Amino acid sequence: EAGVTQFPSHSVIEKGQTVTLRCDPISGHDNLYWYRRVMGKEIKFLLHFVKESKQDESGMPNNRFLAERTGGTYSTLKVQPAELEDSGVYFCASSQFQYGYTFGSGTRLTVV
Amino acid sequence: QKEVEQNSGPLSVPEGAIASLNCTYSDRGSQSFFWYRQYSGKSPELIMFIYSNGDKEDGRFTAQLNKASQYVSLLIRDSQPSDSATYLCAVSLSGTYKYIFGTGTRLKVLA
Repeated sequence: EAGVTQFPSHSVIEKGQTVTLRCDPISGHDNLYWYRRVMGKEIKFLLHFVKESKQDESGMPNNRFLAERTGGTYSTLKVQPAELEDSGVYFCASSQFQYGYTFGSGTRLTVV
Repeated sequence: QKEVEQNSGPLSVPEGAIASLNCTYSDRGSQSFFWYRQYSGKSPELIMFIYSNGDKEDGRFTAQLNKASQYVSLLIRDSQPSDSATYLCAVSLSGTYKYIFGTGTRLKVLA
C-alpha cells in the first residue's frame, strides 16, 4: 500500500508570503493529522481531521494557519502570511484507528 | 515540567548490547504509549505501542510500561548499527487521538 505522501518536500519562502502544504493520506484512513517540529523542539500536534471534519484543532498556533481536507481525501495546510517562527518540519500522518499513525516524510519549511 | 520527557542523548552502546531508552510522562490520564524510530531526514516510523502495565515484546524490541511510576521504556536487544536513530516516545490521553511527543533520544550503536 502507498504511504502518506507530502508535497513539497522543501519550501523556502519570504516572510509575508503564502505557502500551501499538501498531504495525501493512506487510502481508507479516515483520520488525518498535522504535526510540526521546530528546530530543537518536540513534534507538536496541530490538528486532527476525521474524514472532512476537523475533530481537534487545539494545536493550531493562530489564524494564519488554515487546514482543509477536501472530500475526506487529501488535506492542505496554508500559512498566510508566513512568519519567521513558522519555519520547521511539517508532518502529516494518517490512521484507520487510534493506535499508531503512519507519518509522511514531512515538508521542511524555511521562512526567510 | 515537560509533558513527555526523554534524555536527548546520545546514548552509545556497543553492537550486540542491550539499549535501554526511557521516557517519563506527567499526565496520569495518559492511556496509550508509542515508540517511534526516526532516521535523520526521514519520517517517524512506529516500532511499538503499549497500553497495559507490564512488558510487550516484538522481536528484538520490548516496551515496558509502569503507570504508577509514569514511565515507559524501550529495550532493544542485540543492538545493530542500523538501529542508530532517534527514538521518539509519544503518549495519548484517554479519549483523544492526539499524541504528545518527547524530544527524542539519539541512539548510536557502535560497530
